[in-house]
Amino acid sequence: AQSVTQLGSHVSVSEGALVLLRCNYSSSVPPYLFWYVQYPNQGLQLLLKYTTGATLVKGINGFEAEFKKSETSFHLTKPSAHMSDAAEYFCAVRSYNTDKLIFGTGTRLQVFP
Amino acid sequence: SQTIHQWPATLVQPVGSPLSLECTVEGTSNPNLYWYRQAAGRGLQLLFYSVGIGQISSEVPQNLSASRPQDRQFILSSKKLLLSDSGFYLCAWTRDSLLAKNIQYFGAGTRLSVL
Repeated sequence: AQSVTQLGSHVSVSEGALVLLRCNYSSSVPPYLFWYVQYPNQGLQLLLKYTTGATLVKGINGFEAEFKKSETSFHLTKPSAHMSDAAEYFCAVRSYNTDKLIFGTGTRLQVFP
Repeated sequence: SQTIHQWPATLVQPVGSPLSLECTVEGTSNPNLYWYRQAAGRGLQLLFYSVGIGQISSEVPQNLSASRPQDRQFILSSKKLLLSDSGFYLCAWTRDSLLAKNIQYFGAGTRLSVL
């Protein structure tokens, strides 16, 4: 069975500081990994995804994530936080042979001026 | 372009009342469709998914049911709501192709409060 663990339900950073949101997964088959962002009272929007190929993937709004098989991790980073980055972020995993996404419990990012 | 619509955006219902939430997708055909529930601090839980008209798979036993009467329409229902049905309900879709299944597109959600 697949699962996702997001460490830290809340993360606070100052504007301009590094953003690091942690995600670890468990999968018995090669995983496909995703980060989604959710702004208040809205649906989820895809930030980036890893399927195959380059392990460092770049997404929208300056975010990127690196797939590390040895660490079973897919942490999300952004070099410099912006006030507009305040939102909830979800990591998700699925295997290559299914449509179903398994989501983590989410991390709420706060950005202070 | 493809769009997904959910309504209503918010809903307040008394315990024991029925429920019907609707989701429609435009601009594509034969999508795979999903209903999720998001409860505070618990992430997203997949409730139902459908690969075609009349084809519904349930992920967890619960007080809810789903139907797909048309290719691009997905309905979430309940005959009698429970307090525990409160939450944020999200509909999503993917294209029905091997490569395009990588991305799920989400609607704006329905916030349901059962009182």
